[in-house]
Amino acid sequence: EDKVVQSPLSLVVHEGDTVTLNCSYEVTNFRSLLWYKQEKKAPTFLFMLTSSGIEKKSGRLSSILDKKELFSILNITATQTGDSAVYLCAVKETSGSRLTFGEGTQLTVNP
Amino acid sequence: GAVVSQHPSRVICKSGTSVKIECRSLDFQATTMFWYRQFPKQSLMLMATSNEGSKATYEQGVEKDKFLINHASLTLSTLTVTSAHPEDSSFYICSARDPRGSSGGADTQYFGPGTRLTVL
Repeated sequence: EDKVVQSPLSLVVHEGDTVTLNCSYEVTNFRSLLWYKQEKKAPTFLFMLTSSGIEKKSGRLSSILDKKELFSILNITATQTGDSAVYLCAVKETSGSRLTFGEGTQLTVNP
Repeated sequence: GAVVSQHPSRVICKSGTSVKIECRSLDFQATTMFWYRQFPKQSLMLMATSNEGSKATYEQGVEKDKFLINHASLTLSTLTVTSAHPEDSSFYICSARDPRGSSGGADTQYFGPGTRLTVL
């Protein structure tokens, strides 16, 4: 059974701190790993990673995948209160479009 | 990115009633839609995959007779929670696969805003 594990489950930081969120996975036929940000409603797409070692970057957020270690990290630098959300990691297999989600990391950024 | 809507955003109903939730892709045709359920402080759990014009594929443990899914057109899928009970109270989210691809790559899924169901 496919498995996606995120850590930590919860994280509280102060504005300006840098955070690293972790995602490990066990998938039979890995195709891609996706990161989403979920505030009060539905998840919004952040990144999709398919190749090892290539960093994806968007503003203060960046992510990288290690397919050998079956691991990905999401970095947020100079955090702001607006970064407070649940960050979800999901894995897609080669067959179909099904996503398997991790439990998420609840990030709280205090002013 | 593509837009997916859900209706209603919130519903409160009595135990034993049925509730229908609609999921629409507004600016693209979605041959595949997905229905998820999310309990408080938990992640999204896939309930079923809905393919236009064919029967939905349900995940293990999800009762197909209780959660009826209809995907009659390329822009609309509906989830009906039949004879709802308090334990069905949850946040239901749909996503639609955009076959055109985007920054998320081919087969990108776009999520609707979710429907919060409360069964009294």
